[in-house]
Amino acid sequence: KAGVTQTPRYLIKTRGQQVTLSCSPISGHRSVSWYQQTPGQGLQFLFEYFSETQRNKGNFPGRFSGRQFSNSRSEMNVSTLELGDSALYLCASSLGRGWAEAFFGQGTRLTVV
Amino acid sequence: GEDVEQSLFLSVREGDSSVINCTYTDSSSTYLYWYKQEPGAGLQLLTYIFSNMDMKQDQRLTVLLNKKDKHLSLRIADTQTGDSAIYFCAEKDTDKLIFGTGTRLQVFP
Repeated sequence: KAGVTQTPRYLIKTRGQQVTLSCSPISGHRSVSWYQQTPGQGLQFLFEYFSETQRNKGNFPGRFSGRQFSNSRSEMNVSTLELGDSALYLCASSLGRGWAEAFFGQGTRLTVV
Repeated sequence: GEDVEQSLFLSVREGDSSVINCTYTDSSSTYLYWYKQEPGAGLQLLTYIFSNMDMKQDQRLTVLLNKKDKHLSLRIADTQTGDSAIYFCAEKDTDKLIFGTGTRLQVFP
């Protein structure tokens, strides 16, 4: 059974550009959450999607957005990139709301220059 | 507020037991977790405990939960060099995880 797949693994972008990251959850999992990991702020929750609907959102500016498709795959988008957006972006997959186990992908390392 | 605290570093000799501690703030958390992160990798779910349990054992891992003190610990028996990593505790708040700062475990021969 394949795990959580995030693409791309590494990305370098310039300030002001936008970026789209992709996450394919474990087969059968319907909930996808996104987290940002930085040395200064640690792991912070971005948003959670279930059945193509955003159910929960963290304290991030509107430049951060996401969506989920009918096959449960999810994308997150960051517009007008800032240097401070450089981070490891992690996606977590679970069966659904209320389930205990959440499995993470390898992450996408975004560097903004 | 939401705050999960861990000590930053732990150094142990190979073969000894490691104990990583965590304190959390939300008494309504349903589940508490331990994740492991190796360099350049994502988070690996090690184990989790339901909030109405006091202890959970899974091979070399033992999780202890003290709800009264909001204290969670992870004991790794017979620690190996492959256990060197950063360990994060997390609490579940609705459907998001709130993570601690992580404890870097270093295992020396």
